[in-house]
Amino acid sequence: QKEVEQDPGPLSVPEGAIVSLNCTYSNSAFQYFMWYRQYSRKGPELLMYTYSSGNKEDGRFTAQVDKSSKYISLFIRDSQPSDSATYLCAMSASGQESGNTPLVFGKGTRLSVIA
Amino acid sequence: GAGVSQSPSNKVTEKGKDVELRCDPISGHTALYWYRQSLGQGLEFLIYFQGNSAPDKSGLPSDRFSAERTGGSVSTLTIQRTQQEDSAVYLCASSLALAGTGELFFGEGSRLTVL
Repeated sequence: QKEVEQDPGPLSVPEGAIVSLNCTYSNSAFQYFMWYRQYSRKGPELLMYTYSSGNKEDGRFTAQVDKSSKYISLFIRDSQPSDSATYLCAMSASGQESGNTPLVFGKGTRLSVIA
Repeated sequence: GAGVSQSPSNKVTEKGKDVELRCDPISGHTALYWYRQSLGQGLEFLIYFQGNSAPDKSGLPSDRFSAERTGGSVSTLTIQRTQQEDSAVYLCASSLALAGTGELFFGEGSRLTVL
C-alpha cells in the first residue's frame, strides 16, 4: 500500500459545481496536510495548509482533515474554468519543531471545469 | 524574478548519455529538494538538502543519480548513463529552514526525454 493514495481522475465538472477531492494515507505520524495546485507545464503551488484534524476555509476552498480515518478532502465551491488544474495532496510527519522532512505527495487529481 | 529557476526547461538526450539539471533556489532559502514527476506517477522525492547538513539521498532511484549543492545555493542533479525510464519532469523546490507549514516553492521543472 502506498503511503498516500489519490484518485488521478480525470474529473470533469460544469462551471459552478461543488468539487470534492480526496486522499487517504497510511502513516499515522502525518500531522501536516497540504493541497498543491499545478497548472499545465508549471510547478505546483501551495493552495491550502492544515495542521492535524479539522477544517480550514479560504474563499471558495475548504480543506478537511480526519486523522481518525486517515482521510483528507479539498472542497471547491462555485468552481470556475480557472480552477482547471491538477490538485496534489501532500503531507509530512514533522514541522517547525524538528525541521523539515520531505513532503509525501499523492499522484494528483486532474480537474477540468467546463464553462 | 525571485522564484526558483531551473535549467534547461527541456532536454532531449540519447540513451547512455549523461545529463545535468540545474536549480537556482530562492535567495535565503536553506532547504532545497529535487522531485521527479512521471506521467501518472505523481511527485517522487529524490533528494533533500538542508543547510550544511548531510543531504537526505533516500529517494535516489539508483547510483546513476547524484546531486550536489554548492555554497548552499545552486544545486545540480546529474543522471549518468541515462535510460528511457528516466524520462520525466524533474522539479526543484526550496523552502525556508524549519518551514513547518511545508510550503515548498517549486520551479517550472526540467522536462527530460531520453530517446
